[in-house]
Amino acid sequence: NFMLTQPHSVSESPGRTVTISCTGTSGSSASTFVQWYQQRPGSAPTILIYDDERRPSGVPDRFSASIDSSSNSASLTISGLQTEDEADYFCQSYDSNNRWVFGGGTKLTVL
Amino acid sequence: EVQLVQSAAEVKKPGDSLKISCKGSGYIFRNYWIAWVRQMPGKGLEWMGIIYPGDSDVKYSPSFQGRVTISADTSISTASLQWSSLKASDTGRYYCARSDGGWGDYWGQGTLVTVSS
Repeated sequence: NFMLTQPHSVSESPGRTVTISCTGTSGSSASTFVQWYQQRPGSAPTILIYDDERRPSGVPDRFSASIDSSSNSASLTISGLQTEDEADYFCQSYDSNNRWVFGGGTKLTVL
Repeated sequence: EVQLVQSAAEVKKPGDSLKISCKGSGYIFRNYWIAWVRQMPGKGLEWMGIIYPGDSDVKYSPSFQGRVTISADTSISTASLQWSSLKASDTGRYYCARSDGGWGDYWGQGTLVTVSS
């Protein structure tokens, strides 16, 4: 089964840049695009990035993402870190049958 | 404005049945998939399944197949998630999310389900 692996936690100082990785493992179902969600404490997830690197309207351009096909991995980069960015971040992908899978999530601490 | 409004928190006993709901508004309900996602206390997101209200096509995660039933009623723009016999391990928050292309663009506020004897 296809799985997505993220680091459990990352931390960085305000104003700096942090990158969160999401690595896919091989499985029987081919993955398609990667999405990223932000979940602040006590709130529902919200979409940050879809289709690998596209940003919905309203999401600041401090949030960006990329794909490295050679290593079957995706990355979310947050620049100019703010204290409000402290949250859990989840990557997600789906297969050709519209079955989704989430990464385990990464807790971002802004020190 | 697109909104997904979920039903209120539930406290149930093991063996009870339960149906929670997710009402969509501000868009054509039948034209978008609705996904269900579980979040156990202090844990990550788990995809449970997805339904297309327009034709009731449903896909389940192998982890939840046979444990839950996903349905939708287009006449009231509402999707539902139900259990016939709850277990303590079903305790968690359940989210619905609208989907157009393999990801959730709008999410409900979540329904907290507590199963305890």
